[in-house]
Parts: sequence; structure tokens; C-alpha cells
Amino acid sequence: AQKVTQAQTEISVVEKEDVTLDCVYETRDTTYYLFWYKQPPSGELVFLIRRNSFDEQNEISGRYSWNFQKSTSSFNFTITASQVVDSAVYFCALSEAPLYGGSQGNLIFGKGTKLSVKP
Amino acid sequence: KAGVTQTPRYLIKTRGQQVTLSCSPISGHRSVSWYQQTPGQGLQFLFEYFSETQRNKGNFPGRFSGRQFSNSRSEMNVSTLELGDSALYLCASKGDGYTDTQYFGPGTRLTVL
Repeated sequence: AQKVTQAQTEISVVEKEDVTLDCVYETRDTTYYLFWYKQPPSGELVFLIRRNSFDEQNEISGRYSWNFQKSTSSFNFTITASQVVDSAVYFCALSEAPLYGGSQGNLIFGKGTKLSVKP
Repeated sequence: KAGVTQTPRYLIKTRGQQVTLSCSPISGHRSVSWYQQTPGQGLQFLFEYFSETQRNKGNFPGRFSGRQFSNSRSEMNVSTLELGDSALYLCASKGDGYTDTQYFGPGTRLTVL
């Protein structure tokens, strides 16, 4: 069965520290998609990144970077030089490839990691 | 382009009542999915609609239902509300493309008293 585990429930750092959020997933499929979303206190889930299972290249976007390792079924997220505005709950999610084109309606989410960045 | 909008943003109901939540997707998106978020269960998939047809369904009782209109707007209905239905209900829309991503709305916070 599909499962996403975010073992870190809460993390607290001081501004400018680097922080890594862990995500471990389980799936039987060889084709799947992994996502990270950010949920600020306002409640809206903000899309950060999507990765498909065939693309193991790490990605960097500004202060954000993602490390995808199929061998350990992990998709970790690192924030470099954290800022107070990074404080939010971060969710890792998994979606298996649809049987037909266009359907990724069923995202399996981890429980989330609450990140608090203190000034 | 306007994002996903959900109405109302907050709702208070009592046990036994029914409620209807509305979601307007991003213009051009035909897929709308609904999720329930609670502190205990986290984010759980309810159902997905595409071109007015339910395409996927999560593991929720029949009290939870939805529909989608020809303009892709979607409604979610919960009948005979229970205290445990108190949650943040999130709607997401995506395009038709195989690799398109789901974009979420701000959610409707439902409180059942």
C-alpha cells in the first residue's frame, strides 16, 4: 500500500540555520510522483515541487533544495539559511501514475512537519 | 490567472444538519479534487471529479458526496453532520495534462457543534 512518513513532527530552528525535512515513502508502483507542499497558518496548501520516479536529479530553487533517492525511498527537503517566513507546516505527498492520462486525483500525504523559524 | 476559490471560508453547523461547500477551479482546469484535513487523520482524499464525472473516490462514508457542473465548479455535500466532520476541507484543481500539478484553494473550515 502507498504510504508517506514524515517522522519529524515539529522542528524549531533559529533564523539563518539550514534545516532538512525528511520524507520516506512506500509504493508498489515503478511509476509515481512525489510532491512537497507548504501550508502557512492561512491554511492554503502551496505547491513547492513535483518529482517523477524516473527523475532522480536533485533540484535547487533559491534557498530550497530537494534530494530524491529511490534506493532509500526518500525525498528530503532542505531549506538553506532559513527565514521567519519559512515557518509553516510542510507536507510530502505521493501519487501513483494514473491508469489513463490526466488523473492524479489521489494524493497520499504524510502527517506533515511543523517548522518554526525563530528570529 | 485567479487561483482556486472556495466558499464559504468558515461555517458552523450543528449535528444532524447538512452542509454544502463550493469550489471554483482555476480557469481551464477540469479536474477538481476534495480533501479533508483533521488534526488526527491529517490530509485525506475524498473524491475527484473530471468533466462532471466522479473519477476517483476515497474511503469516506456515503454521507459525503459531490458533484461537478459543466463550468467545472464543484460542490461537496455532507449530510447528517457528526462532530467528527469538523475539519478543514480543501479543494484542488489541475489541468488535463499528464504531469499537471494540483493547486489548492484556501479551504473551508467547518465546525460541527
